[in-house]
Amino acid sequence: KAGVTQTPRYLIKTRGQQVTLSCSPISGHRSVSWYQQTPGQGLQFLFEYFSETQRNKGNFPGRFSGRQFSNSRSEMNVSTLELGDSALYLCASRPIRTDTTEAFFGQGTRLTVV
Amino acid sequence: GDSVTQMEGPVTLSEEAFLTINCTYTATGYPSLFWYVQYPGEGLQLLLKATKADDKGSNKGFEATYRKETTSFHLEKGSVQVSDSAVYFCALSAPGTYKYIFGTGTRLKVLA
Repeated sequence: KAGVTQTPRYLIKTRGQQVTLSCSPISGHRSVSWYQQTPGQGLQFLFEYFSETQRNKGNFPGRFSGRQFSNSRSEMNVSTLELGDSALYLCASRPIRTDTTEAFFGQGTRLTVV
Repeated sequence: GDSVTQMEGPVTLSEEAFLTINCTYTATGYPSLFWYVQYPGEGLQLLLKATKADDKGSNKGFEATYRKETTSFHLEKGSVQVSDSAVYFCALSAPGTYKYIFGTGTRLKVLA
């Protein structure tokens, strides 16, 4: 069974640009969540989607947005990039709706803003 | 709000030494608790989990027990190997939130 797939693996963008990251969950998983990992702030929750609906959102500015498609694939978008947005962005999927099931993480997209 | 506190790293051990990484949490209600491991350049891999008080999660020689009275979920392994060198994250997921709250991570280095 294929794991969580994130594309691209690496990205370099310029300040002020926007970027879209993609995540394909494990087949059959309907919950997709996104996290930002930085050396200073650690792992922080961005948002979670289930059946195309956002169920929870972290404390990030409106420049960070996401969506989920009917096939459960998800994208996140960051507009007007800032240097501080440089991070590893991790996507995770879960098979069912409860919180007791573990999430499966992708390898992440490394975003560098210059 | 909910939070997870992990011991500061890095932790450096010799091969076959005993490992303990402390993790305590603050949460309302009854969260599920997890340990994840991250190898260089990789995402997170689930190591073990516990979903209710007194549950013991175990995997690959690692163990952790959900202690509600001390709000702790310490990770232990009896004999570490060089291949266990990685960063370990403790996390909780509170009911109805659909998200993880992670600790800051503890880097483990095992020397041959």
